[in-house]
Amino acid sequence: DAGITQSPRYKITETGRQVTLMCHQTWSHSYMFWYRQDLGHGLRLIYYSAAADITDKGEVPDGYVVSRSKTENFPLTLESATRSQTSVYFCASNGGPSVSSYNSPLHFGNGTRLTVT
Amino acid sequence: AQKITQTQPGMFVQEKEAVTLDCTYDTSDQSYGLFWYKQPSSGEMIFLIYQGSYDEQNATEGRYSLNFQKARKSANLVISASQLGDSAMYFCAMREAGYSTLTFGKGTMLLVSP
Repeated sequence: DAGITQSPRYKITETGRQVTLMCHQTWSHSYMFWYRQDLGHGLRLIYYSAAADITDKGEVPDGYVVSRSKTENFPLTLESATRSQTSVYFCASNGGPSVSSYNSPLHFGNGTRLTVT
Repeated sequence: AQKITQTQPGMFVQEKEAVTLDCTYDTSDQSYGLFWYKQPSSGEMIFLIYQGSYDEQNATEGRYSLNFQKARKSANLVISASQLGDSAMYFCAMREAGYSTLTFGKGTMLLVSP
């Protein structure tokens, strides 16, 4: 089925470990995004990507690394997980900020709930 | 300063009543878009409604309407005839001109009681 898929849905890791959250979309959307959701903060942008090999920082990028070698994939890596990175992570995509897509919403995956112990 | 402010952490409404969820925004751009998302307890983010800054009419999608007051920089979501399934977290978001990203508010939790 077409859509945006995140994996895993749940992950528990230990402080200091590296963990990668996966995101795959089948719409061939040019733009992809990573947000984290925390109580009292809403959704905050971590990184986004306008196309393959083009990425940019969002509001809260520290401690995270992204890559986008293929249009359909946008993995998010926590190089050395900390407890403050315990959160729900959402990947999203959309076609891009052209005139025809200015009003286009972001399409979200179902999220990954990450717990760092 | 926050770009999107949702002042109501929680709202209660009885089934079949209408409810308004508040959203104010801050931008100096003339071109922008405003979005509302619903997040039920299952966790997914569901797009509800969009309002463009140049749209003269308030947006409507079924039981959802957006009360857009440009001069006051407010974009309140109105849900008519609330249903139990409307119980969820609701997020207001904005996209400013030239940006691909959405900036979200902190959300409002809506509980609909029988």
